[in-house]
Amino acid sequence: DAGVTQSPTHLIKTRGQHVTLRCSPISGHKSVSWYQQVLGQGPQFIFQYYEKEERGRGNFPDRFSARQFPNYSSELNVNALLLGDSALYLCASSPFGVDHGYTFGSGTRLTVV
Amino acid sequence: AQSVAQPEDQVNVAEGNPLTVKCTYSVSGNPYLFWYVQYPNRGLQFLLKYITGDNLVKGSYGFEAEFNKSQTSFHLKKPSALVSDSALYFCAVRDAGYTNAGKSTFGDGTTLTVKP
Repeated sequence: DAGVTQSPTHLIKTRGQHVTLRCSPISGHKSVSWYQQVLGQGPQFIFQYYEKEERGRGNFPDRFSARQFPNYSSELNVNALLLGDSALYLCASSPFGVDHGYTFGSGTRLTVV
Repeated sequence: AQSVAQPEDQVNVAEGNPLTVKCTYSVSGNPYLFWYVQYPNRGLQFLLKYITGDNLVKGSYGFEAEFNKSQTSFHLKKPSALVSDSALYFCAVRDAGYTNAGKSTFGDGTTLTVKP
């Protein structure tokens, strides 16, 4: 059974550009969460989605948005990229309402130059 | 608000010795507590969790953690460290009052180095 898959694995963008990151959760997991991990820090919560609805949002600007599709996959979009957006973006899936730990993908390494 | 503190950036132990990685937390309600491990250039792997019940929780790869409500701590332990345990360890907390499983707060991590 496939784990959480994220694409692309690495990405280099220029300031001001837009980026879309993609995530496919584990089969049967209906909840997807997005985290940003800056080098040297722990993951910071960005969004959680369940059944195509936003269920939680962290302290990130409106340049960050996300959505979830009927097959439970998800996209994270970031507009007007800043150098400070450079980070590892992690997607985590879980069965909603069940207090298991997350299963994380390997992440997308975004570098903004 | 919820928060996690991992007071040690680095823990060094010799192979075969016991290891402890410390974590303290703060939540307004009851805590759900988690430990994750991260290897270089990889995502996080779940090790163990405390939701309710016994204060000593056993997890993957021989790790265990002890929940101490009075000290608001959830230290990660292993009786005998392996070189392969060397990695970055994260403690995370979520307020049990949240209706969704998404909003966990992570500490900044502790780098564990096990020397042969």
